[in-house]
Amino acid sequence: ETGVTQTPRHLVMGMTNKKSLKCEQHLGHNAMYWYKQSAKKPLELMFVYNFKEQTENNSVPSRFSPECPNSSHLFLHLHTLQPEDSALYLCASSPEGLAASTDTQYFGPGTRLTVL
Amino acid sequence: QKEVEQDPGPLSVPEGAIVSLNCTYSNSAFQYFMWYRQYSRKGPELLMYTYSSGNKEDGRFTAQVDKSSKYISLFIRDSQPSDSATYLCAMKTGGGNKLTFGTGTQLKVEL
Repeated sequence: ETGVTQTPRHLVMGMTNKKSLKCEQHLGHNAMYWYKQSAKKPLELMFVYNFKEQTENNSVPSRFSPECPNSSHLFLHLHTLQPEDSALYLCASSPEGLAASTDTQYFGPGTRLTVL
Repeated sequence: QKEVEQDPGPLSVPEGAIVSLNCTYSNSAFQYFMWYRQYSRKGPELLMYTYSSGNKEDGRFTAQVDKSSKYISLFIRDSQPSDSATYLCAMKTGGGNKLTFGTGTQLKVEL
């Protein structure tokens, strides 16, 4: 496996379900990100982890709970979601993390989430 | 007013045409500018990365930044059907790793 991988690629869940999205990066990067991509809207940054520490929570509702056990893995735990949470959830990683001016982000393929 | 404005399209051009994609922005602190390409059912992939004003060329792609006008462009020469995708502009200030994205422009290159 190379780059940034995400599982599952598609997920359909009811509003009372609990599920988790997984991201793994094989690039040796130190920063990882969760984004939400909805139709006709810019990518919305949700969470940032630098060296396994959460450094940004962009006013995300508590029904989304991130977890970063090590610098290669990132999870997004989902519970009691709403239909408006249906979107493409993208994971990204970057080499240097905080205060690295020239840092660039590399994205995974995303998980297409549908909340019924 | 959005921090970054980008026409969502769709933009349809014939094969071989020169394509011009643009973004405007309001935050004068942005210094680093990127273009990502996103194919259907895929994540965005970095296409071009530029710092401050000026041009950068990579094969058929040229990225142009005009900081005085707060305007960036991506030109695609000799466009191919394989260029059909959504193109996202992104930018950031000098510190930190937070990117601000445009909505993306959907491009279709037709045979």
